[in-house]
Amino acid sequence: AQTVTQSQPEMSVQEAETVTLSCTYDTSENNYYLFWYKQPPSRQMILVIRQEAYKQQNATENRFSVNFQKAAKSFSLKISDSQLGDTAMYFCAFMMLGGYMRFGAGTRLTVKP
Amino acid sequence: GAGVSQSPSNKVTEKGKDVELRCDPISGHTALYWYRQSLGQGLEFLIYFQGNSAPDKSGLPSDRFSAERTGGSVSTLTIQRTQQEDSAVYLCASSAGGAGGSYNEQFFGPGTRLTVL
Repeated sequence: AQTVTQSQPEMSVQEAETVTLSCTYDTSENNYYLFWYKQPPSRQMILVIRQEAYKQQNATENRFSVNFQKAAKSFSLKISDSQLGDTAMYFCAFMMLGGYMRFGAGTRLTVKP
Repeated sequence: GAGVSQSPSNKVTEKGKDVELRCDPISGHTALYWYRQSLGQGLEFLIYFQGNSAPDKSGLPSDRFSAERTGGSVSTLTIQRTQQEDSAVYLCASSAGGAGGSYNEQFFGPGTRLTVL
């Protein structure tokens, strides 16, 4: 069974600085997708970034980038130039194509002014 | 509507009562998912509908939980004889596909917060 582990329950960062959130997963599959979702207090799940396992190049979306290490089954999220609006819960998720998502327990990120 | 909608947004019920939670997916989306988020936890998969195929019910925690999807659109999650441990946020998501083929993003609704007293 696939599992997703986020080992940092809480993180904080100063505004404008960089922070990295960790995620590891366990699977015997070769083709899959990995995601980072943001959940602000409104409860709305917002897709931050997606990585296809068959792609070696790390995904990037503006200030958000990932470090995907397939052999190590590691998928960390780097947030550059942190903004107050980045304060939220962040969830790492794993999905097989045609399947459902498996989520980690989340990391609560606080951006301090 | 433009996104996935869920109703009610909040539901308070007494232990032992039945509840129904509704999800309206994005029009045309063939895949629909239910997840549960307990306080301070990540999302836990409950059930997955894909087109006319039999749903994947492997995440339902007990036989008190059931879900239907009528006409390939609206879905209702029913919890019978609610227990205090059922208190959680129930999130619905939909996507344009899912059964093989290319990736399709899951769009989430705002969730229903269920409180069982």
